[in-house]
Amino acid sequence: DAGITQSPRYKITETGRQVTLMCHQTWSHSYMFWYRQDLGHGLRLIYYSAAADITDKGEVPDGYVVSRSKTENFPLTLESATRSQTSVYFCASSVRAGVGSDEQFFGPGTRLTVL
Amino acid sequence: GIQVEQSPPDLILQEGANSTLRCNFSDSVNNLQWFHQNPWGQLINLFYIPSGTKQNGRLSATTVATERYSLLYISSSQTTDSGVYFCAVDRGAQKLVFGQGTRLTINP
Repeated sequence: DAGITQSPRYKITETGRQVTLMCHQTWSHSYMFWYRQDLGHGLRLIYYSAAADITDKGEVPDGYVVSRSKTENFPLTLESATRSQTSVYFCASSVRAGVGSDEQFFGPGTRLTVL
Repeated sequence: GIQVEQSPPDLILQEGANSTLRCNFSDSVNNLQWFHQNPWGQLINLFYIPSGTKQNGRLSATTVATERYSLLYISSSQTTDSGVYFCAVDRGAQKLVFGQGTRLTINP
């Protein structure tokens, strides 16, 4: 059972380039999430998705685009990378909303450096 | 939005000691989770505990929802317990809000 995987695990890019981070889960969870982790800010929600073709903004969505054409995949795209987007990105998933069923499980993270 | 405060920010202990980590939150919550971020950066689920008490081996957690706090207890600490412990909450919209974490260092 692979669970939730992210690729690449490490990425170095340059300012202005487009970058896509991939997230794949094998649990058929309805909800998927993207967070970023920065020193001094902890983890913050970028975007989330309740189901295929349903996405919504989190706390820090500017500069990012998401899509979800299939339940198991939730790619995050930086359309024009900036140095401030250097961070560790975590993908997560949960079964569904509701008390007792909304525990989130996290992928291993992608460390992105924008030069 | 909801505020989450964790204390202490840093904790250094000798192997075998016990510890208590605290998480205070500013509003009612539907979900509260404790995570351990190990030295390799992986976030490991410890407890899903919006209320009540749970135990898993040397770790236990208690959430008193009416008083808006949660406690994580670690007994007989081991060096592998080192890392950062995060508390995270949400109010039912699936948007987890994380605390700043407690960095735990267990010395041999």
